[in-house]
Amino acid sequence: NAGVMQNPRHLVRRRGQEARLRCSPMKGHSHVYWYRQLPEEGLKFMVYLQKENIIDESGMPKERFSAEFPKEGPSILRIQQVVRGDSAAYFCASSPSTDLYGYTFGSGTRLTVV
Amino acid sequence: RKEVEQDPGPFNVPEGATVAFNCTYSNSASQSFFWYRQDCRKEPKLLMSVYSSGNEDGRFTAQLNRASQYISLLIRDSKLSDSATYLCVVTSNAGNNRKLIWGLGTSLAVNP
Repeated sequence: NAGVMQNPRHLVRRRGQEARLRCSPMKGHSHVYWYRQLPEEGLKFMVYLQKENIIDESGMPKERFSAEFPKEGPSILRIQQVVRGDSAAYFCASSPSTDLYGYTFGSGTRLTVV
Repeated sequence: RKEVEQDPGPFNVPEGATVAFNCTYSNSASQSFFWYRQDCRKEPKLLMSVYSSGNEDGRFTAQLNRASQYISLLIRDSKLSDSATYLCVVTSNAGNNRKLIWGLGTSLAVNP
């Protein structure tokens, strides 16, 4: 029973390129959450998705960032035209329902923009 | 005022010491409370949930004071492996959407 799978583990992008981060939730989990953790800072909520629906994107920057969780396949966090300030660890978590006791994190993707 | 506030530390303690972390939250409507642990450059992992009556799991004890909007975590007989950042987490209800609000964490270093 694999946990929450995120890939890639490390991603290097040049300024102006696009970054795509993938998250496959645990089996049976239909709720996905994305967080960003900047160096020396805490976790910041970005977006909450269920299959084919964005439930809460109040933490997403207004420009360049988007997220989806299609009917088939992993959830994708997409960052267009990356800048150095986007360098961070991006964590995905999943849960089976709105019960937050079942919240499990993936190992994260560390994005470095050069 | 931040929604969840923690003393950032770092706390440096010798092995075997007892250490306590505090956390305050601003939303009186918060219903669920958790302590997570995060090791350097790794994902957060649930340490324990916090119940109104207080709860204990081995060397770890969590307490909740709703009136004061205050949560605590006590670690007894500290081990080197307890060195990590401890994150206080509370739920925020916005309509039907419940989400977790995270503190910035308290750093603990247990020294031999």
